[in-house]
Amino acid sequence: VQLVESGGGLVQPGGSLRLSCSASGFTLSRYHMHWVRQAPGKGLEYVSGITSDELHKIYSDSVKGRFIISRDISKNTLDLQMGGLRIEDTAVYYCVKEEAGNWKPFENWGQGTLVTVSS
Amino acid sequence: ETVLTQSPGTLSLSPGERATLSCRASQSVSSGNFAWYQQRRGQAPRLLIYGTSNRATGIPDRFSGSGSGTDFTLTISRLEPEDFAVYYCQYYGSSPQTFGQGTKVEIK
Repeated sequence: VQLVESGGGLVQPGGSLRLSCSASGFTLSRYHMHWVRQAPGKGLEYVSGITSDELHKIYSDSVKGRFIISRDISKNTLDLQMGGLRIEDTAVYYCVKEEAGNWKPFENWGQGTLVTVSS
Repeated sequence: ETVLTQSPGTLSLSPGERATLSCRASQSVSSGNFAWYQQRRGQAPRLLIYGTSNRATGIPDRFSGSGSGTDFTLTISRLEPEDFAVYYCQYYGSSPQTFGQGTKVEIK
């Protein structure tokens, strides 16, 4: 299992960015997937998740209405479209695979991609 | 949303010593949905313990977890140099799957 995030970078406040997570070694559509972020020097913060059947998409209150989680089955990738970016969105964003089933631990993590929101 | 509070914020210990980390939930939670993660400097987090007391694949037996209701504990029986890291608890039985703020285990 490997998760590789991409798409991070420097963006101005109010701007947009699209993160992508390329999954290998498993079929992404069979698992619940998540994004977790970590601001510099801070702890882990849950951002968003999508169920394996795509019927449920979850967002933290801090990103609701600004971020959209999605999947591309043909590419086996997980995406996070981020809009209305704020300085407090600056963080390393991790792509996370949940263990098979429902309400399971986060068993695989990518290495993360850094998003910096600054003018 | 269940809020998780970890203590202490920092634990200063020597290699070979025992480490005891605590996590308290704001309401009673299912012990079947409680986990601990380790994050070494510059690395992504990795799963240590799930279901309160089950070690993840490849985790040495010096790591153990216990607890129920609102109080959970991670114990490292004898600290090895690679164990000095930050540890996070997580409740994954409801959305969002929240994390505690972390406990840093540092070398004394």
